[in-house]
Amino acid sequence: AQKVTQAQTEISVVEKEDVTLDCVYETRDTTYYLFWYKQPPSGELVFLIRRNSFDEQNEISGRYSWNFQKSTSSFNFTITASQVVDSAVYFCALSELPNTGNQFYFGTGTSLTVIP
Amino acid sequence: ETGVTQTPRHLVMGMTNKKSLKCEQHLGHNAMYWYKQSAKKPLELMFVYSLEERVENNSVPSRFSPECPNSSHLFLHLHTLQPEDSALYLCASSQGWLAGGTDTQYFGPGTRLTVL
Repeated sequence: AQKVTQAQTEISVVEKEDVTLDCVYETRDTTYYLFWYKQPPSGELVFLIRRNSFDEQNEISGRYSWNFQKSTSSFNFTITASQVVDSAVYFCALSELPNTGNQFYFGTGTSLTVIP
Repeated sequence: ETGVTQTPRHLVMGMTNKKSLKCEQHLGHNAMYWYKQSAKKPLELMFVYSLEERVENNSVPSRFSPECPNSSHLFLHLHTLQPEDSALYLCASSQGWLAGGTDTQYFGPGTRLTVL
């Protein structure tokens, strides 16, 4: 079974709209880390955020915000007032601390297109 | 140069060719990774090196051969590839491997490989 599910394959929004990207994860561990990455057309995965399983506070960084809810095993990402430069593929990832190493489990990504 | 760099950015090769992908990290990290990214599939971890020793090899065919001469450089040697090996190959680095999920991975821009 896939550990990270991003059910939204593609999303299109008009510029200045808000958009939420969903991420649902699966783990039996009590200590784990969640990540979001952005992959623009250039190909590089750009690190956006890392959260540990003990910190459920929502986080805001400029137009970006993240909603972590352990009760639903979700770590959703919202972009407020979207811009064309936000067009990219966004990946959610999970890493489980009890692993012997720093292995990440990635979702299949959500392709976001912001239409001017 | 900063972050993680990869060369070449694009590569087209025949099935009988031998080529190498290069990755260099300028972050002072001790762990380096090769991932394969195919369309509509999660990122696939191929190899991990920690302190220049291979610590993970996820059932990758022998036509892919990694090399890590020092903690800053990582190579992926390719020979007798198949068309299904066409993909984006991403390199990443993190502070360590044994931290067990606490270290953020930073990615390079990738090499877009096409096998004819």
